[in-house]
Amino acid sequence: QKEVEQDPGPLSVPEGAIVSLNCTYSNSAFQYFMWYRQYSRKGPELLMYTYSSGNKEDGRFTAQVDKSSKYISLFIRDSQPSDSATYLCAMVRANAGGTSYGKLTFGQGTILTVHP
Amino acid sequence: DTEVTQTPKHLVMGMTNKKSLKCEQHMGHRAMYWYKQKAKKPPELMFVYSYEKLSINESVPSRFSPECPNSSLLNLHLHALQPEDSALYLCASSRLGGAGAPNEKLFFGSGTQLSVL
Repeated sequence: QKEVEQDPGPLSVPEGAIVSLNCTYSNSAFQYFMWYRQYSRKGPELLMYTYSSGNKEDGRFTAQVDKSSKYISLFIRDSQPSDSATYLCAMVRANAGGTSYGKLTFGQGTILTVHP
Repeated sequence: DTEVTQTPKHLVMGMTNKKSLKCEQHMGHRAMYWYKQKAKKPPELMFVYSYEKLSINESVPSRFSPECPNSSLLNLHLHALQPEDSALYLCASSRLGGAGAPNEKLFFGSGTQLSVL
């Protein structure tokens, strides 16, 4: 079983739809959670970063973390064709002092297409 | 400047060649990383440098040799690669967190697409 599970999709939605992307994880040592967006032939771009359970909003994007269920989500409102990309969840363990080692564990990535 | 710049963008090399990948950042980050990404797969960590010293080597074959000449530059020297080493090679950087540990917010470059013939 992988430490981080993410449905690879592909996911295809019409412009303006609400998109929900999800990851589950098995290791409670993961304390920091990120969503990256990766366009074809480009490096990943950090979209959202959270370290506590609850919601965090940034424009059309909302990141949700439920540590009790070991489940994280990214919601995209009013999706646009420019949102078409691969979305990667990533997590980092914290050491005993609460700092991170900086080693990201990625999900497999979900390929999203938003069509006009 | 919030960019991580990687050169070259594309590289084709034979199995007997020696080549180098270069990475540069001017964000004052003291942790730098090399990741490898195969098509339709997530990035895989190869090396981590903290304060210009190698802190993590994820059991990478010796045909990959990293170098961090100063706090802004990171190189990856390639020698006698195999066709299965063809991939997108990503450089990333981050601040250092508490107790000198790398910070989890990584900034990635656009990568070097490497093809080994």
